[in-house]
Amino acid sequence: SSELTQDPAVSVALGQTVRITCQGDSLRRYFPSWYQQKPGQAPLLVIYGKNYRPSGIPDRFSGSSSGNTASLTIAGAQAEDEADYYCNSRDSSGPNWVFGGGTKLTVL
Amino acid sequence: QVQLQESGPGLVKPSETLSLTCTVSGGSISGYYWTWIRQTPGKGLQWIGAIYSSGSTNYNPSLKSRVTMSIDTSVNQFSLNLNSVTAADTAVYYCAGHQGYQLSYWWFDPWGQGTLVTVSS
Repeated sequence: SSELTQDPAVSVALGQTVRITCQGDSLRRYFPSWYQQKPGQAPLLVIYGKNYRPSGIPDRFSGSSSGNTASLTIAGAQAEDEADYYCNSRDSSGPNWVFGGGTKLTVL
Repeated sequence: QVQLQESGPGLVKPSETLSLTCTVSGGSISGYYWTWIRQTPGKGLQWIGAIYSSGSTNYNPSLKSRVTMSIDTSVNQFSLNLNSVTAADTAVYYCAGHQGYQLSYWWFDPWGQGTLVTVSS
């Protein structure tokens, strides 16, 4: 099955822009979805498809893809954005969905 | 607004079967895919499998031999059975909606709050 690789940890200064990346062969074929998870909470969908935000997600969150790499960008990171972020994509070989290992975002 | 709620035993003995139910409220379970995802303590997320309202299923190949999912549209519930459990199956189990678009992208939304299942004697 395919794997999705994420940097374990990323930090950003308050108000600055941060990009969280996800790499994997399946991303050449399928757009990913991105999830934010805060301690003790269920994951929350923040981006899906080409670059779609569910209702209620701030527009500082955006997504992009190129080749085998997808990115979640937070423009003007806020303290409340500190969380774990996971990417997910369908496996290229069949109906199986794979998560990245997650990126812990720290807002300084 | 659709909401999901997991229910089931929080403690399961090794070699026995883990059984969870997800109740969907605020909308119909029919016409949609529904999924189970788990998260082991301190670690990441793993997709377990999905079921359509017709009863058709897809399972994670690594768990396929031990997983069975079912759905009851009359009560807006779907269920997960995982047999022959070990300590490695100790995790928070989430149910979620599973949507897709033109075989191009998929997403999980909404999610239940999750339920911790511990496998221990």
